[in-house]
Amino acid sequence: AQKVTQAQTEISVVEKEDVTLDCVYETRDTTYYLFWYKQPPSGELVFLIRRNSFDEQNEISGRYSWNFQKSTSSFNFTITASQVVDSAVYFCALSEARRSSASKIIFGSGTRLSIRP
Amino acid sequence: SQTIHQWPATLVQPVGSPLSLECTVEGTSNPNLYWYRQAAGRGLQLLFYSVGIGQISSEVPQNLSASRPQDRQFILSSKKLLLSDSGFYLCAWSVFMNTEAFFGQGTRLTVV
Repeated sequence: AQKVTQAQTEISVVEKEDVTLDCVYETRDTTYYLFWYKQPPSGELVFLIRRNSFDEQNEISGRYSWNFQKSTSSFNFTITASQVVDSAVYFCALSEARRSSASKIIFGSGTRLSIRP
Repeated sequence: SQTIHQWPATLVQPVGSPLSLECTVEGTSNPNLYWYRQAAGRGLQLLFYSVGIGQISSEVPQNLSASRPQDRQFILSSKKLLLSDSGFYLCAWSVFMNTEAFFGQGTRLTVV
């Protein structure tokens, strides 16, 4: 069975600090996808990144970076030099890579990130 | 480019009243469509998904139903709302079932 755990319910940091959001997943499949989404106060979920299980290279996009480690079943998200606009709820998600109706995206419970000025 | 529209943005309904939330996708054909619910301060729960017209799969037993009368239209309904149906409802679409989903702006439903 698939499961995504985001143990950090809420995080609050001061602007310009670096912050890492943790994500641990469980799956029996060897082929799967991992995702991160951002939910700003407006409510709409914004897709940030997808990684497949065969690509363990870390990814950097501006101030955002993602660390995927299969050995620990983790897919952590780091925001460098945080800004107030980064305040949002962040969701980690997982799906198995079978192209069938049985493969659905399962979301973690989310981490609420607050950036204080 | 693809866009997803969901309405209304907010809704206040009395207990026992019917519900109809609509979602449409533009710019793509035969999308996979989803309805999620997010209770206050909680994560996302998948309610329904559809891989084609008239094909609806339900993830959890509940007071709600879904229909897909057209390729890019997905409707969430209830005959009689319960207080527990309150929440934030999000429609989403994806190319494949297992790839990233793109979300609408959501409907905040309050049942009073």
